[in-house]
Amino acid sequence: DTAVSQTPKYLVTQMGNDKSIKCEQNLGHDTMYWYKQDSKKFLKIMFSYNNKELIINETVPNRFSPKSPDKAHLNLHINSLELGDSAVYFCASSQGSSGVETQYFGPGTRLLVL
Amino acid sequence: GQNIDQPTEMTATEGAIVQINCTYQTSGFNGLFWYQQHAGEAPTFLSYNVLDGLEEKGRFSSFLSRSKGYSYLLLKELQMKDSASYLCAVLDSNYQLIWGAGTKLIIKP
Repeated sequence: DTAVSQTPKYLVTQMGNDKSIKCEQNLGHDTMYWYKQDSKKFLKIMFSYNNKELIINETVPNRFSPKSPDKAHLNLHINSLELGDSAVYFCASSQGSSGVETQYFGPGTRLLVL
Repeated sequence: GQNIDQPTEMTATEGAIVQINCTYQTSGFNGLFWYQQHAGEAPTFLSYNVLDGLEEKGRFSSFLSRSKGYSYLLLKELQMKDSASYLCAVLDSNYQLIWGAGTKLIIKP
């Protein structure tokens, strides 16, 4: 059973398009995250939700909009894609939101903007 | 600013021991994590240290010195499957994780 799953795994698209990435966790966790890992391998937090409520919203262009329909799902919609959005996007979840809990990561979505 | 420093790449021999260092400067400290990330895969949790000292978990040990802003991950009896990137991450005063760029460990036979 996959604990944290993301779709799609690969996404190749043109500049200016709008795309969504979906994430689901079946661990019963309360907190979910979106990270961006660029070519230099830095993991940067983008958003965090706890029980469907936004708790972390880093300095991210407002072209990126997360949505959490329930605590098991956290989707990421990206408008007007740009070349610099090319990266691997990881979804993660943890039991709580204090930060000390282990985070479980999904397999990643490799986004390439042409 | 907040900063996590790790060597970019290290090479070691199968069966040997390797120590991966991490130094940090963050606004506050609420613990330090080590994650392992194989190429093309997701990071997976290895350890969490919040008190000074060494914590051993099988072939892997993690050490923390809060006064020095320093941690290391020690891998013993290296196996080929240990070839991966090792990410150091610090929980700051706002309980946000600050990630290092990771150390790519190459194991040679």
